[in-house]
Amino acid sequence: EPEVTQTPSHQVTQMGQEVILRCVPISNHLYFYWYRQILGQKVEFLVSFYNNEISEKSEIFDDQFSVERPDGSNFTLKIRSTKLEDSAMYFCASIDRLNTEAFFGQGTRLTVV
Amino acid sequence: AQTVTQSQPEMSVQEAETVTLSCTYDTSESNYYLFWYKQPPSRQMILVIRQEAYKQQNATENRFSVNFQKAAKSFSLKISDSQLGDTAMYFCAFGGGNKLVFGAGTILRVKS
Repeated sequence: EPEVTQTPSHQVTQMGQEVILRCVPISNHLYFYWYRQILGQKVEFLVSFYNNEISEKSEIFDDQFSVERPDGSNFTLKIRSTKLEDSAMYFCASIDRLNTEAFFGQGTRLTVV
Repeated sequence: AQTVTQSQPEMSVQEAETVTLSCTYDTSESNYYLFWYKQPPSRQMILVIRQEAYKQQNATENRFSVNFQKAAKSFSLKISDSQLGDTAMYFCAFGGGNKLVFGAGTILRVKS
């Protein structure tokens, strides 16, 4: 069964440092997403990516965040200068052309200290 | 903008009993999908069941079924013969306009 792969599974970083979270979506999918879940809270939409550009972003996705699909397979989320409140589980998801189901990666737990 | 509301923060059920989790949504889209995702303590997001809005027949997956009321914009999940492994957070999600929007979640605890 196809799957979305995220690395690392857990990252600890110092406040103010840059982090890059990596995702390998399902190869024939066209839409890619990042979601965030602060511990015990709801899953929040960050950004969607289609045709090599951002198609939609939430108010959470400010100038500290960026996304890239540098080589046609990886899909990365960069946080330039991490804050304590960026500590959360970050999920990558991809959706096929028919938009029938979002496949989620296992998540990256980011801890900012 | 779409919104998804889960009005039950927590639910409990005895093992082998049936429980229903509620979800309502709001949208102006005509074509969309509705989903229930399970998030166990591992925090992985696992698809439980999916409903296409254009289908009137309620989706079923083994012990899981939905009651989809399109006019009322309601999409509840029924879990029959609850098992201890069903203990998890359950999220209702709306899929349309190429985005998934999640409800706040319901913590379900199955008691032995």
